[in-house]
Amino acid sequence: NAGVTQTPKFQVLKTGQSMTLQCAQDMNHNSMYWYRQDPGMGLRLIYYSASEGTTDKGEVPNGYNVSRLNKREFSLRLESAAPSQTSVYFCASRPPGLGDKTQYFGPGTRLLVL
Amino acid sequence: KQEVTQIPAALSVPEGENLVLNCSFTDSAIYNLQWFRQDPGKGLTSLLLIQSSQREQTSGRLNASLDKSSGRSTLYIAASQPGDSATYLCAGGVEYGNKLVFGAGTILRVKS
Repeated sequence: NAGVTQTPKFQVLKTGQSMTLQCAQDMNHNSMYWYRQDPGMGLRLIYYSASEGTTDKGEVPNGYNVSRLNKREFSLRLESAAPSQTSVYFCASRPPGLGDKTQYFGPGTRLLVL
Repeated sequence: KQEVTQIPAALSVPEGENLVLNCSFTDSAIYNLQWFRQDPGKGLTSLLLIQSSQREQTSGRLNASLDKSSGRSTLYIAASQPGDSATYLCAGGVEYGNKLVFGAGTILRVKS
């Protein structure tokens, strides 16, 4: 049981390049999230997916697209990277069912946009 | 819009000391309040989750309280150890899907 995995761990992009950040979970969770963490700030939600095929914008969705093609995987795409998107990106998932449940986080992807 | 603030931003204490980390939120309409630990270069690990109907949760040397009416939560760490050194983040669960709104964190250093 690997939990939440993210690839790549680190990436350097030039302004205008595109890339996809991958996230996968093997815990049979329905809900998945993408956050970004910037220095001196808390994590901010980019996108949320309640289940396969459904996505919902979070607080800071501009410049990003997401894809939830199956239950395990939730990818985040930067179509035209900008220096303002330099950040650490975390993927998380949450167990299904009623009641309050915590989120399980991946190790993060560190992205530098030059 | 929910906003979460954590005080202090950084804290350095000698080993063995009891300490309190503070978290405040602007909107009492939260589903839950969660505390996470983040080690340098790592992801987040959940420590405690307090449901909106609860007042506190305990796990080992950690105790978290929630006062929705005043918009405050505290994390109490007893008998601190150098291994407790990390960044502690609080987050309020809001809206459908339990989306989390995070504070900026408190960087804790426990000196041996």
